Amino acid sequence: SFELTQSPSVSVSPGQTASITCSGDELGDKYTSWYQQKPGQSPVVVLYQDKKRPSGIPERFSGSNSGNTATLTISGTQAMDEADYYCQAWDNNTAVFGGGTKVTVL
Amino acid sequence: QLQLQESGPGLVKASETLSLSCSVSGGAISSRIYHWGWIRQPPGKGLEWIGNIYYKGITYYNPSLKSRVTVYVDTSKNQFTLSLSSVTAADTAVYYCARRQVSWFDSWGPGTLVTVSP
Repeated sequence: SFELTQSPSVSVSPGQTASITCSGDELGDKYTSWYQQKPGQSPVVVLYQDKKRPSGIPERFSGSNSGNTATLTISGTQAMDEADYYCQAWDNNTAVFGGGTKVTVL
Repeated sequence: QLQLQESGPGLVKASETLSLSCSVSGGAISSRIYHWGWIRQPPGKGLEWIGNIYYKGITYYNPSLKSRVTVYVDTSKNQFTLSLSSVTAADTAVYYCARRQVSWFDSWGPGTLVTVSP
């Protein structure tokens, strides 16, 4: 079955760049979405169709997807970006989520 | 503005059936653009997709749950319902309903915690 793999955690200093990767077989052939989830809250989509930002999502969130890896990049990371991030893609009408990456802003 | 709200029992006994409803306001569940889905999250763990439904009743389920899951829609009430049978402790989770737009979930309910008791 199709699986998405994420690193469990990423640490970043304020103002620096955080990169979160999501790996899956031929993931570049599929659209990837990214969700941000803060403690006690519902997930919020921050990127869809690999690199598109919904209204209200800051420009510091960007994305790419090629080969087997999709990447969410947070440029100029702020304390408010500390959260869990999940990638998600579809495979044969089945939605698959990655295991999540905890981003810590030190 | 679209709002989704989950409702149902917070405690279910093992081997029984979990039933949750998602009420949709600010938009029609019969829209031809969207699908409607259920996602869950066990305490301290990641997200797991359960299934989706289109207003015409077309459904897609997670293969790992398919034998126990039914999702159906009630357009007259503008809501959709999840039924999960033969629950065990492993089904204890926060259950979210969400709207699917093309390939992403663009709106989520606040979630509801369901605990399975022995």
